[in-house]
Formats: sequence, C-alpha cells, structure tokens
Amino acid sequence: ETGVTQTPRHLVMGMTNKKSLKCEQHLGHNAMYWYKQSAKKPLELMFVYSLEERVENNSVPSRFSPECPNSSHLFLHLHTLQPEDSALYLCASSPGQGGYEKLFFGSGTQLSVL
Amino acid sequence: SQQGEEDPQALSIQEGENATMNCSYKTSINNLQWYRQNSGRGLVHLILIRSNEREKHSGRLRVTLDTSKKSSSLLITASRAADTASYFCARDSGGGADGLTFGKGTHLIIQP
Repeated sequence: ETGVTQTPRHLVMGMTNKKSLKCEQHLGHNAMYWYKQSAKKPLELMFVYSLEERVENNSVPSRFSPECPNSSHLFLHLHTLQPEDSALYLCASSPGQGGYEKLFFGSGTQLSVL
Repeated sequence: SQQGEEDPQALSIQEGENATMNCSYKTSINNLQWYRQNSGRGLVHLILIRSNEREKHSGRLRVTLDTSKKSSSLLITASRAADTASYFCARDSGGGADGLTFGKGTHLIIQP
C-alpha cells in the first residue's frame, strides 16, 4: 500500500450521469494531483492542489470539476462525460508544496463512459 | 512535445538477464524520476536522479543521467518474473503547467 486510497476502483457511467471519484492520503502530504491515463498515451496532469489551493489547471474540460476540502482528501466530480473520457484516473500526493518530487500514487479508478 | 520518451516501447527477456530502458527528453530538468506500474494499478516511484548527478543505485536498479545528451537509462540487473511491468520516466522541469511530465513507458516482460 502506498498510503493513497482511491474509490471506487471501477466505475461505469452513462453520458448523462453525475459521479465523483474520491482520493484520500494518509501520508501527511501537502500536495495532491489528478492524472488521466489513456491507452497508448502518456499520463496527463489534470489538476494540482497545494495546501488545499489549486495550483495548476491544464485546460481540462469543465465536465471535470475537482474539489479539495482538506489536505488529506481530493475529489473529482464528473458530469456529462464523453466516451473518450474513458480512462484510468490516478490520484497522487507528494510531500512538497506543488513541487514535483517523488509522487505517491493510488491504484486508480478505471472509468468507462457508455 | 516536452514529454520524456522511453525506448524501447516493449522489451521481453529471460529471467536472470539484465534489462535496460532508455529515456530521452527535450528541455532542461531539475530531476528525472523512474516509476513502475503493474497492470491496472497505480505507479510506484523507483528512483530520482537530480540534474547534477550522473549515476544512482537502488538495490538491483541503476539509473544514469546524461544531461548533455538529454537522456537517462534504467538498468534492472538479474531480472525476476515480478519485474514484469511498465516503466515510465518522468521529468521535473521545476514546476509550471506541465507538472511532472511522463513518457509513454516501456512494457517489460520477464519470461520465466
């Protein structure tokens, strides 16, 4: 176990559904991240939170909405997704304040959009 | 693209042999990291090498960095079946919108 827990592990949703992905870290880290991993493509950074404030937003579509209520929890709210959003969504945390040293990843949520 | 690129894309070797994977990048870095990912799981950090370092060891892992060639290599010695996984290099250029930039990975298969 890496100390980063993601739920659910698998999610199937229709294009009109609203769902949320949850991430919790038990490491006392200051920064948390959402990455998207699609087949045959490199990991894509979606959002970074440092000390609960959003640092980066890499032009992610508004149908993805992050929330970081405290330094241990991170959510990704999903609504009106498209089939091309099907991917493995990975949460990660790191000790630093948004610097990119050693990331600890959760096991991911495998999302399928029908 | 500022992404790291791993080479080869796939590698199959016999158990006990050494496995070498390479990573190239295009811009300057603060550090370069290697991660392993088992199928359907998250990534696990293996080793970090800073821009002023040339070589680093961790157990059966050896990483080299050549900043003049903008390349790094990961060597796994005496491979085991459990080393079967995808290996990614990730480049830290000191923050910015790209964050920690990953390559597409090398899929390593260790034949028993």
